[in-house]
Amino acid sequence: RKEVEQDPGPFNVPEGATVAFNCTYSNSASQSFFWYRQDCRKEPKLLMSVYSSGNEDGRFTAQLNRASQYISLLIRDSKLSDSATYLCVVERQGGKLIFGQGTELSVKP
Amino acid sequence: NAGVTQTPKFQVLKTGQSMTLQCAQDMNHEYMSWYRQDPGMGLRLIHYSVGAGITDQGEVPNGYNVSRSTTEDFPLRLLSAAPSQTSVYFCASSYMGRGELFFGEGSRLTVL
Repeated sequence: RKEVEQDPGPFNVPEGATVAFNCTYSNSASQSFFWYRQDCRKEPKLLMSVYSSGNEDGRFTAQLNRASQYISLLIRDSKLSDSATYLCVVERQGGKLIFGQGTELSVKP
Repeated sequence: NAGVTQTPKFQVLKTGQSMTLQCAQDMNHEYMSWYRQDPGMGLRLIHYSVGAGITDQGEVPNGYNVSRSTTEDFPLRLLSAAPSQTSVYFCASSYMGRGELFFGEGSRLTVL
């Protein structure tokens, strides 16, 4: 079993839809959590950090549930430009960053 | 502002050949790492380093060597390439504890 698991998708949604991605992690000692975005054949880039209290950045909301070892990302009012692969990332003690396999999102007109 | 620079961007090797992927960063980041990305597998950590002279294994270290003689450079060596090492390789760096990895543009390696 992978240490960080995501639904690979693809998620195909119309513009304006709300879509949610889930991620689970197996190491309870994990310290920090992030969502990255990767466009086709490009390098990943940080989308947002995930805090225990939940955090929001415009149309994006991230949640963390440490008890269930679960992270989520909600995208509201999807845009065509949101089409990408979304990667869940967990930081372990000592700074090691482990990626999930990514969830592909395709937003259609 | 160069950020993280990886070379080469493309490489074709024959089975058994050796090569080094170069990675350099100019942001004075303590943490540097190498990932490989294969279809359906996401990014898998090969090796990482938390500072000059310190390296450690990631999820898939077999067949790869690294060293960190300076803060800026973190080369990845393939001593005897195998077709299973055909992949896209990313180098990334960050400040320790910050979580924001800065990636190079990737190196596409094919082993025949």
